[in-house]
Amino acid sequence: DSGVTQTPKHLITATGQRVTLRCSPRSGDLSVYWYQQSLDQGLQFLIQYYNGEERAKGNILERFSAQQFPDLHSELNLSSLELGDSALYFCASSVDRDQTQYFGPGTRLLVL
Amino acid sequence: GENVEQHPSTLSVQEGDSAVIKCTYSDSASNYFPWYKQELGKGPQLIIDIRSNVGEKKDQRIAVTLNKTAKHFSLHITETQPEDSAVYFCAAMGFGNEKLTFGTGTRLTIIP
Repeated sequence: DSGVTQTPKHLITATGQRVTLRCSPRSGDLSVYWYQQSLDQGLQFLIQYYNGEERAKGNILERFSAQQFPDLHSELNLSSLELGDSALYFCASSVDRDQTQYFGPGTRLLVL
Repeated sequence: GENVEQHPSTLSVQEGDSAVIKCTYSDSASNYFPWYKQELGKGPQLIIDIRSNVGEKKDQRIAVTLNKTAKHFSLHITETQPEDSAVYFCAAMGFGNEKLTFGTGTRLTIIP
């Protein structure tokens, strides 16, 4: 158990819908990272927050957004969902920037 | 941006034998190289990492070597056991760039 928690574990929804994935980092960790894992793209970095502020952006679609709240938990919002958004979404956290990242168990999203 | 290549994509070894997985990276500024193990239905679990000021690091049956000149690093697992069966990912992080770029993964199967 890495100490990073993610909810929900599974999510099934329809195209065009909007969902919110939640992540709670390890106690004391200030950085939160979101990754998408799909069969054809592997593990791809989406976005990073550090102590409430956006730090880095990767291959994140404009339909996706995220935020980190004062209690350091983070949410990833996915809107106008398409079939191709079906994937595993992982959150990771680290104590500080440039430090070891610990991954949560992931949220499996299925868009029908 | 950074590009990480990982080989082989699949690897089968007899229980008790050694397994070696190799990765190359493109950005000479990369300075942090973690290895993750992912079991079915779980998130990536950090098993070992190395920074660019170190050439080798060992933790019991697992070791990682880094050749900065050639820009490649390798994971070595000795005395393999059935519980070592999983998908292994290498990753690289550049200095001042806090996102991880992952390799495409190696599915390791230990044959009893």
